[in-house]
Amino acid sequence: AQSVSQHNHHVILSEAASLELGCNYSYGGTVNLFWYVQYPGQHLQLLLKYFSGDPLVKGIKGFEAEFIKSKFSFNLRKPSVQWSDTAEYFCAVNAENYGQNFVFGPGTRLSVLP
Amino acid sequence: DAGITQSPRHKVTETGTPVTLRCHQTENHRYMYWYRQDPGHGLRLIHYSYGVKDTDKGEVSDGYSVSRSKTEDFLLTLESATSSQTSVYFCAISEGQGVWYGYTFGSGTRLTVV
Repeated sequence: AQSVSQHNHHVILSEAASLELGCNYSYGGTVNLFWYVQYPGQHLQLLLKYFSGDPLVKGIKGFEAEFIKSKFSFNLRKPSVQWSDTAEYFCAVNAENYGQNFVFGPGTRLSVLP
Repeated sequence: DAGITQSPRHKVTETGTPVTLRCHQTENHRYMYWYRQDPGHGLRLIHYSYGVKDTDKGEVSDGYSVSRSKTEDFLLTLESATSSQTSVYFCAISEGQGVWYGYTFGSGTRLTVV
């Protein structure tokens, strides 16, 4: 069965620090990859997605992610975080044999200190 | 935001009682999903629907049933609520037949079973 792991449960950073959140998946075939963000008290929102092409994907709010197929990874990055980036971040994978469904990682909580 | 609403937003119920959560969309999207969100588990798929009266089980379907008699409504029923079903439940819709657009999520229903 597919699985998605996220390296860190809780990350604490100061404003202006750089961010990298890890995501690894277990499926060996063709995958579609996503990062979602959930701000406190809100629903999940799509940050960015990768289907094919350039493995470096740019999303909203200055986030980007890099797909490294050989490492089964899709890490999320941001050069300089802001207090407003405090949220929970979920990596999600859709595999070619999984229809319309996703497997979500357990999430990483990011706290940015002002 | 896309037109997706969940009701109720919060509910407290007693063990053994049936509970129905409603997801309503105004986007006429074909695919609708119910997920539960629990700390350390991310989001897990309960059931999904790919059309009126067309539903299928997800990863954690035991103890849940769904119905979709109209395109716009997708109901999740806990047949006999248990404390392990205390969770936040999210409905999601797909903006097309493929996963290209990712999901649009509702605001969630926080269910407490006492």
